[in-house]
Amino acid sequence: KAGVTQTPRYLIKTRGQQVTLSCSPISGHRSVSWYQQTPGQGLQFLFEYFSETQRNKGNFPGRFSGRQFSNSRSEMNVSTLELGDSALYLCASGQGAGETQYFGPGTRLLVL
Amino acid sequence: GNSVTQMEGPVTLSEEAFLTINCTYTATGYPSLFWYVQYPGEGLQLLLKATKADDKGSNKGFEATYRKETTSFHLEKGSVQVSDSAVYFCALSKAGNTPLVFGKGTRLSVIA
Repeated sequence: KAGVTQTPRYLIKTRGQQVTLSCSPISGHRSVSWYQQTPGQGLQFLFEYFSETQRNKGNFPGRFSGRQFSNSRSEMNVSTLELGDSALYLCASGQGAGETQYFGPGTRLLVL
Repeated sequence: GNSVTQMEGPVTLSEEAFLTINCTYTATGYPSLFWYVQYPGEGLQLLLKATKADDKGSNKGFEATYRKETTSFHLEKGSVQVSDSAVYFCALSKAGNTPLVFGKGTRLSVIA
């Protein structure tokens, strides 16, 4: 089975712009979660989608949003980018609630 | 709230040395416990997991035992290799719930 794929792998944006990241889960997995990894804050949970519905949400501002499509692929969007949004964004998929999560390679976002 | 505490790194060992990375957790109920590993420039890979007290997770020579009485899940390996150099993350998730709570990570360097 193919693993979790994320596109793009690297991205450079400027402050104020918006960005959309994409994640394709492992075939058969219906849960997709997003995490932000920074040197200062470590790994922090952003949100989780299951069957196109947001099931859990972390403590991030409303500039961070996401969605899931009927084929379980997910996108996350960050609007009005700030310098502090520079991070590695990791997507993880699982079969269902509380099931083991498998991570993709991440999208590294640099905001200038 | 739920939290995970890992020993501070970096940890530097010689090849074939014994490895222990301490991990303790705070959580209500009976969380599932995980160790993930992150190699340079990559996402997280699941190393091992345990879902109930006294369970032992093992993979690639690494082991960890879920100790409810000491709320610990220490990672051990009898003989490390240079290829084990990476950052190791301890994590938990509440039963039936997806979001992972991570420790800050421990960087391991193994020298030949």
